Amino acid sequence: KNEVEQSPQNLTAQEGEFITINCSYSVGISALHWLQQHPGGGIVSLFMLSSGKKKHGRLIATINIQEKHSSLHITASHPRDSAVYICAVQAETSGSRLTFGEGTQLTVNP
Amino acid sequence: NAGVMQNPRHLVRRRGQEARLRCSPMKGHSHVYWYRQLPEEGLKFMVYLQKENIIDESGMPKERFSAEFPKEGPSILRIQQVVRGDSAAYFCASSFSWGTVNTEAFFGQGTRLTVV
Repeated sequence: KNEVEQSPQNLTAQEGEFITINCSYSVGISALHWLQQHPGGGIVSLFMLSSGKKKHGRLIATINIQEKHSSLHITASHPRDSAVYICAVQAETSGSRLTFGEGTQLTVNP
Repeated sequence: NAGVMQNPRHLVRRRGQEARLRCSPMKGHSHVYWYRQLPEEGLKFMVYLQKENIIDESGMPKERFSAEFPKEGPSILRIQQVVRGDSAAYFCASSFSWGTVNTEAFFGQGTRLTVV
């Protein structure tokens, strides 16, 4: 079992839909990251959080430390949101080293 | 403030050749991490370096792979005698410090290595 599990693996939505991607982890963490990767592209950090909730534009990230669970929400989805979204954790004993989930491939159709 | 710079972006090597991947961290960052993304797989940790020191190389293959982060200049990930299975995207990330404060990691664009 991976230390970081994401669901779903693939997600197809229509433009405008509300999207949720889930991440569960099994280790104690100091922080959790949500990352975005476009095909053939680099990796962009969307959020780093260790508690509660963060919002940036149409993106919202939440984390429940007790349940070891985080969600990434996209409101009013748009085709340009199509990308792979990756959950990654910093284990308490590993500093900035990240352990990654397998990623969620999101496709938003117009 | 330039971000994490990796070069080259794309690298093609024949089997048996050497591949050198470079990573210049963000200004002020002294911690560098290398990650590998094999085709159709997730990212995996390879090595963590500070200036002139390898801190954690538990993710590095035991043979043919080495990494350094000299006092001056970029971090280098070196793969000797490349094989087709080394074809992957190699990402570098840098951070300001280790621990729970200011440890956000910033990623480079990656180097896509193709071994033919």
